Amino acid sequence: NFMLTQPHSVSESPGKTVTISCTRSSGSIASNYVQWYQQRPGSSPTTVIYEDNQRPSGVPDRFSGSIDSSSNSASLTISGLKTEDEADYYCQSYDSSNQVFGGGTKLTVL
Amino acid sequence: EVQLVESGGGLVQPGRSLRLSCTASGFTFGDYAMSWVRQAPGKGLEWVGFIRSKAYGGTTEYAASVKGRFTISRDDSKSIAYLQMNSLKTEDTAVYYCTRSITDDYWGQGTLVTVSS
Repeated sequence: NFMLTQPHSVSESPGKTVTISCTRSSGSIASNYVQWYQQRPGSSPTTVIYEDNQRPSGVPDRFSGSIDSSSNSASLTISGLKTEDEADYYCQSYDSSNQVFGGGTKLTVL
Repeated sequence: EVQLVESGGGLVQPGRSLRLSCTASGFTFGDYAMSWVRQAPGKGLEWVGFIRSKAYGGTTEYAASVKGRFTISRDDSKSIAYLQMNSLKTEDTAVYYCTRSITDDYWGQGTLVTVSS
């Protein structure tokens, strides 16, 4: 089984851009789609990116996703940060018999 | 509108059993795999297991931490997925979420399971 590693926390000011990384330990990051979830305190997770770079309807285009095979990692980029973006963010991927979540990144917008 | 509603959580003693239900609406339930994900208090998300759709054999996969103790099943006629949890341990204490597909595109509100004597 592979692991997904995220930074424990990131912080940035309102209006700025932040990128959260998610590195796959073994196997190619491109071999299975990566999803990203946002979880605000006291709430269930919601999908902000699916299939590496697709946004569900209702998610603002300030959220974008990408993968980089050279670093075997995926990234979630949030531009024009708003205080409402403050939350925990989790990456997820899978193979034929497992799902794997990253450890989560706490985003602080200050 | 896709909705997933978990039920069946509560306080249970170590070694006992509990069955969670996930009632789905707003989509063709039988066409999708269904997953269970848990979150211990103050911790991150942990995949528990999933059940494939009947078109893919309806087979199941589990995380190593629950394999042999937990069983996922489905009733497509009622649009319900189940998580049968046996031989519960204190470390199984968590909010349990039902999600749609192996990409977890939709999540329920979760149900809290507390394992304590």
